[in-house]
Amino acid sequence: QKEVEQNSGPLSVPEGAIASLNCTYSDRVSQSFFWYRQYSGKSPELIMSIYSNGDKEDGRFTAQLNKASQYVSLLIRDSQPSDSATYLCAVNIITSGGSNYKLTFGKGTLLTVNP
Amino acid sequence: KAGVTQTPRYLIKTRGQQVTLSCSPISGHRSVSWYQQTPGQGLQFLFEYFSETQRNKGNFPGRFSGRQFSNSRSEMNVSTLELGDSALYLCASNKDRGGTEAFFGQGTRLTVV
Repeated sequence: QKEVEQNSGPLSVPEGAIASLNCTYSDRVSQSFFWYRQYSGKSPELIMSIYSNGDKEDGRFTAQLNKASQYVSLLIRDSQPSDSATYLCAVNIITSGGSNYKLTFGKGTLLTVNP
Repeated sequence: KAGVTQTPRYLIKTRGQQVTLSCSPISGHRSVSWYQQTPGQGLQFLFEYFSETQRNKGNFPGRFSGRQFSNSRSEMNVSTLELGDSALYLCASNKDRGGTEAFFGQGTRLTVV
Protein backbone atom coordinates (compact mmCIF):
# COMPACT_ATOMS: atom_id res chain seq x y z
CA GLN A 1 0.00 0.00 0.00
CA LYS A 2 1.30 3.43 -0.92
CA GLU A 3 1.99 5.61 2.08
CA VAL A 4 0.25 8.75 0.78
CA GLU A 5 -2.25 8.60 -2.04
CA GLN A 6 -3.90 11.35 -4.05
CA ASN A 7 -6.03 11.36 -7.15
CA SER A 8 -3.68 12.43 -9.93
CA GLY A 9 -6.42 14.31 -11.73
CA PRO A 10 -6.48 16.45 -13.62
CA LEU A 11 -9.25 18.17 -11.72
CA SER A 12 -10.94 20.89 -13.70
CA VAL A 13 -13.30 23.43 -12.10
CA PRO A 14 -14.84 26.69 -13.36
CA GLU A 15 -13.75 30.00 -11.90
CA GLY A 16 -15.62 30.76 -8.68
CA ALA A 17 -16.35 27.12 -7.87
CA ILE A 18 -15.11 25.06 -4.93
CA ALA A 19 -12.21 22.74 -5.68
CA SER A 20 -11.94 19.68 -3.47
CA LEU A 21 -8.65 17.80 -3.20
CA ASN A 22 -8.32 14.55 -1.31
CA CYS A 23 -5.55 12.52 0.27
CA THR A 24 -5.36 9.26 2.22
CA TYR A 25 -2.44 7.93 4.22
CA SER A 26 -1.43 4.58 5.64
CA ASP A 27 0.43 5.39 8.87
CA ARG A 28 -2.13 5.53 11.69
CA VAL A 29 0.18 7.36 14.10
CA SER A 30 0.90 10.26 11.76
CA GLN A 31 0.45 13.56 13.55
CA SER A 32 1.27 16.27 11.02
CA PHE A 33 -0.31 16.94 7.66
CA PHE A 34 0.49 19.54 5.04
CA TRP A 35 -0.67 20.84 1.71
CA TYR A 36 1.77 22.28 -0.78
CA ARG A 37 1.09 24.08 -4.04
CA GLN A 38 3.51 23.68 -6.91
CA TYR A 39 3.30 25.76 -10.05
CA SER A 40 4.79 24.32 -13.21
CA GLY A 41 8.57 24.71 -13.17
CA LYS A 42 8.62 25.97 -9.58
CA SER A 43 9.29 24.42 -6.18
CA PRO A 44 6.55 23.40 -3.71
CA GLU A 45 5.11 26.15 -1.53
CA LEU A 46 3.54 25.37 1.85
CA ILE A 47 -0.04 26.62 1.99
CA MET A 48 -1.65 24.76 4.89
CA SER A 49 -0.70 22.64 7.87
CA ILE A 50 -3.12 20.75 10.12
CA TYR A 51 -2.46 18.69 13.22
CA SER A 52 -5.87 18.07 14.85
CA ASN A 53 -9.08 16.48 13.65
CA GLY A 54 -11.56 18.89 12.15
CA ASP A 55 -11.31 21.92 9.89
CA LYS A 56 -8.72 24.65 9.64
CA GLU A 57 -9.47 27.71 7.58
CA ASP A 58 -7.06 30.23 6.07
CA GLY A 59 -8.59 32.67 3.64
CA ARG A 60 -10.08 30.75 0.73
CA PHE A 61 -8.41 27.52 1.85
CA THR A 62 -9.83 24.97 4.29
CA ALA A 63 -7.95 21.86 5.36
CA GLN A 64 -9.95 18.99 6.83
CA LEU A 65 -8.48 16.11 8.83
CA ASN A 66 -10.08 12.86 9.89
CA LYS A 67 -7.51 10.65 11.62
CA ALA A 68 -9.92 7.78 12.18
CA SER A 69 -10.47 7.52 8.43
CA GLN A 70 -6.84 8.45 7.66
CA TYR A 71 -8.07 11.14 5.36
CA VAL A 72 -7.09 14.75 4.78
CA SER A 73 -8.57 17.15 2.27
CA LEU A 74 -8.15 20.66 0.96
CA LEU A 75 -11.03 22.85 -0.16
CA ILE A 76 -10.39 25.95 -2.25
CA ARG A 77 -13.37 28.30 -2.29
CA ASP A 78 -13.98 30.86 -5.04
CA SER A 79 -11.33 29.20 -7.21
CA GLN A 80 -9.30 31.53 -9.39
CA PRO A 81 -7.26 30.78 -12.54
CA SER A 82 -4.17 31.62 -10.46
CA ASP A 83 -4.96 28.56 -8.31
CA SER A 84 -4.15 26.33 -11.27
CA ALA A 85 -1.25 24.23 -10.06
CA THR A 86 -0.35 20.80 -8.69
CA TYR A 87 -1.36 20.31 -5.07
CA LEU A 88 0.80 17.97 -2.99
CA CYS A 89 -0.34 16.29 0.19
CA ALA A 90 2.44 15.57 2.70
CA VAL A 91 2.23 13.41 5.81
CA ASN A 92 4.59 12.92 8.71
CA ILE A 93 5.45 9.20 8.50
CA ILE A 94 7.33 7.27 11.17
CA THR A 95 10.32 5.51 9.67
CA SER A 96 11.73 2.13 10.64
CA GLY A 97 13.00 2.13 14.20
CA GLY A 98 10.18 4.34 15.39
CA SER A 99 12.36 7.27 16.36
CA ASN A 100 12.47 9.21 13.13
CA TYR A 101 9.91 10.92 11.01
CA LYS A 102 10.00 12.01 7.41
CA LEU A 103 7.62 14.01 5.30
CA THR A 104 6.18 11.71 2.69
CA PHE A 105 4.45 13.21 -0.31
CA GLY A 106 1.66 12.05 -2.53
CA LYS A 107 2.20 12.38 -6.25
CA GLY A 108 -0.03 15.41 -6.41
CA THR A 109 -3.30 16.44 -8.02
CA LEU A 110 -3.21 18.78 -11.00
CA LEU A 111 -5.90 21.44 -10.64
CA THR A 112 -7.04 23.58 -13.56
CA VAL A 113 -9.38 26.51 -12.92
CA ASN A 114 -11.10 27.61 -16.12
CA PRO A 115 -12.03 31.30 -16.56
CA LYS B 1 13.94 36.93 6.20
CA ALA B 2 15.85 35.09 3.52
CA GLY B 3 14.42 31.84 2.26
CA VAL B 4 16.13 28.60 1.36
CA THR B 5 18.91 29.08 -1.16
CA GLN B 6 20.04 26.34 -3.50
CA THR B 7 22.94 26.52 -5.88
CA PRO B 8 23.39 26.05 -8.72
CA ARG B 9 19.94 26.38 -10.29
CA TYR B 10 20.81 24.37 -13.38
CA LEU B 11 23.44 21.77 -14.15
CA ILE B 12 24.28 19.64 -17.15
CA LYS B 13 26.61 16.73 -16.49
CA THR B 14 27.86 13.75 -18.43
CA ARG B 15 27.15 10.18 -17.42
CA GLY B 16 29.82 8.92 -15.05
CA GLN B 17 30.68 12.31 -13.62
CA GLN B 18 29.91 13.44 -10.11
CA VAL B 19 28.03 16.50 -8.90
CA THR B 20 27.71 18.51 -5.68
CA LEU B 21 24.64 20.58 -4.87
CA SER B 22 24.45 23.15 -2.11
CA CYS B 23 21.66 24.30 0.19
CA SER B 24 21.55 27.13 2.71
CA PRO B 25 18.52 26.82 5.01
CA ILE B 26 16.44 29.60 6.51
CA SER B 27 18.34 31.38 9.26
CA GLY B 28 17.73 29.60 12.56
CA HIS B 29 16.59 26.37 10.93
CA ARG B 30 18.66 23.38 11.92
CA SER B 31 17.24 20.55 9.82
CA VAL B 32 17.78 20.11 6.11
CA SER B 33 16.13 17.44 3.98
CA TRP B 34 16.79 16.59 0.37
CA TYR B 35 14.27 15.32 -2.18
CA GLN B 36 14.40 14.15 -5.75
CA GLN B 37 11.46 15.04 -7.97
CA THR B 38 10.77 13.36 -11.30
CA PRO B 39 7.56 13.30 -13.37
CA GLY B 40 7.11 9.57 -12.88
CA GLN B 41 8.01 9.15 -9.21
CA GLY B 42 7.02 12.48 -7.72
CA LEU B 43 8.83 13.81 -4.67
CA GLN B 44 11.06 11.18 -3.11
CA PHE B 45 12.93 11.61 0.14
CA LEU B 46 16.68 11.28 -0.05
CA PHE B 47 17.95 12.12 3.44
CA GLU B 48 17.68 14.46 6.40
CA TYR B 49 20.45 16.17 8.31
CA PHE B 50 20.21 17.68 11.76
CA SER B 51 23.11 18.92 13.88
CA GLU B 52 25.59 17.76 11.24
CA THR B 53 24.32 14.17 11.45
CA GLN B 54 22.30 12.18 8.97
CA ARG B 55 19.11 11.30 10.87
CA ASN B 56 17.11 9.62 8.18
CA LYS B 57 17.70 8.14 4.76
CA GLY B 58 15.45 7.17 1.88
CA ASN B 59 15.77 4.26 -0.52
CA PHE B 60 18.49 5.54 -2.79
CA PRO B 61 21.78 3.90 -3.72
CA GLY B 62 25.02 4.78 -1.96
CA ARG B 63 25.99 7.01 -4.88
CA PHE B 64 23.81 9.62 -3.20
CA SER B 65 25.40 11.15 -0.14
CA GLY B 66 25.30 14.37 1.79
CA ARG B 67 26.63 16.29 4.70
CA GLN B 68 25.76 19.22 6.90
CA PHE B 69 28.08 21.85 8.27
CA SER B 70 28.07 23.57 11.64
CA ASN B 71 26.23 26.57 10.17
CA SER B 72 23.44 24.17 9.00
CA ARG B 73 24.32 24.56 5.34
CA SER B 74 24.16 21.24 3.53
CA GLU B 75 25.63 19.68 0.44
CA MET B 76 24.46 16.70 -1.53
CA ASN B 77 26.75 14.66 -3.75
CA VAL B 78 25.92 12.20 -6.50
CA SER B 79 28.76 10.12 -7.85
CA THR B 80 28.93 8.12 -11.08
CA LEU B 81 25.96 9.89 -12.58
CA GLU B 82 23.40 7.89 -14.53
CA LEU B 83 20.87 9.15 -17.06
CA GLY B 84 18.11 8.32 -14.58
CA ASP B 85 19.53 10.80 -12.09
CA SER B 86 18.17 13.63 -14.22
CA ALA B 87 15.67 15.34 -11.95
CA LEU B 88 14.83 18.40 -9.90
CA TYR B 89 16.66 18.20 -6.58
CA LEU B 90 14.96 20.07 -3.80
CA CYS B 91 16.23 21.06 -0.42
CA ALA B 92 13.80 21.67 2.42
CA SER B 93 14.52 23.60 5.60
CA ASN B 94 12.88 22.79 8.94
CA LYS B 95 13.16 24.74 12.15
CA ASP B 96 13.64 21.51 14.06
CA ARG B 97 13.59 17.78 13.32
CA GLY B 98 12.08 16.48 10.13
CA GLY B 99 8.34 15.88 9.99
CA THR B 100 7.48 19.48 10.81
CA GLU B 101 6.74 22.32 8.40
CA ALA B 102 9.23 22.23 5.57
CA PHE B 103 10.10 25.16 3.34
CA PHE B 104 11.62 24.43 -0.02
CA GLY B 105 14.33 26.11 -2.00
CA GLN B 106 13.99 26.80 -5.71
CA GLY B 107 15.70 23.52 -6.55
CA THR B 108 18.55 22.46 -8.77
CA ARG B 109 17.62 21.08 -12.18
CA LEU B 110 20.15 18.37 -13.02
CA THR B 111 20.35 16.98 -16.52
CA VAL B 112 22.62 14.00 -17.19
CA VAL B 113 23.55 13.43 -20.82
